[in-house]
Amino acid sequence: DAGVTQSPTHLIKTRGQQVTLRCSPKSGHDTVSWYQQALGQGPQFIFQYYEEEERQRGNFPDRFSGHQFPNYSSELNVNALLLGDSALYLCASSPTANEQFFGPGTRLTVL
Amino acid sequence: QKEVEQNSGPLSVPEGAIASLNCTYSDRGSQSFFWYRQYSGKSPELIMSIYSNGDKEDGRFTAQLNKASQYVSLLIRDSQPSDSATYLCAVKNTGGFKTIFGAGTRLFVKA
Repeated sequence: DAGVTQSPTHLIKTRGQQVTLRCSPKSGHDTVSWYQQALGQGPQFIFQYYEEEERQRGNFPDRFSGHQFPNYSSELNVNALLLGDSALYLCASSPTANEQFFGPGTRLTVL
Repeated sequence: QKEVEQNSGPLSVPEGAIASLNCTYSDRGSQSFFWYRQYSGKSPELIMSIYSNGDKEDGRFTAQLNKASQYVSLLIRDSQPSDSATYLCAVKNTGGFKTIFGAGTRLFVKA
């Protein structure tokens, strides 16, 4: 049984560009959450998707947007990249509203 | 006041000792509490969840919750060098969808 998968593993972009990160949840999980983790910090909640709708959003600007597809997979889009967007982006899936399981993450570097 | 606070450490314990990790949270209505382990360069891994006051044991790990004091702890018995990692405390907020992480405590277990 495959766990949560994310692509790509690493990504290098320049300021002002746009990026799309992808996540496939664990089989049987219908809820996907996205987090940003800066070096030395805990993961920061970006938003959560359930039934293809954004259910809750954290304190992130509108440059961060997402989507969930009918097969429960999800995308995170970030527009107008800033240097400060460099971080590990984590996707977590869950079968209920509680326990979440993380994918391996996408390391984004903005130059 | 941070929503979830942890001592950043590092906490250093000898092999075989008990490691005690602590966490406080600010949202008195929080109902779900989690401990994640994160090895350097890897994504967080769920090791314990606790929802009611008291202790919950799973192998060498014991989670303790005191909602009146807004305090969660994790005890690791018979600590092993392989337990060396950053331990993240996470709290699901009153609304039920957003999970807030502490910055993590770095644990070193000396052989």
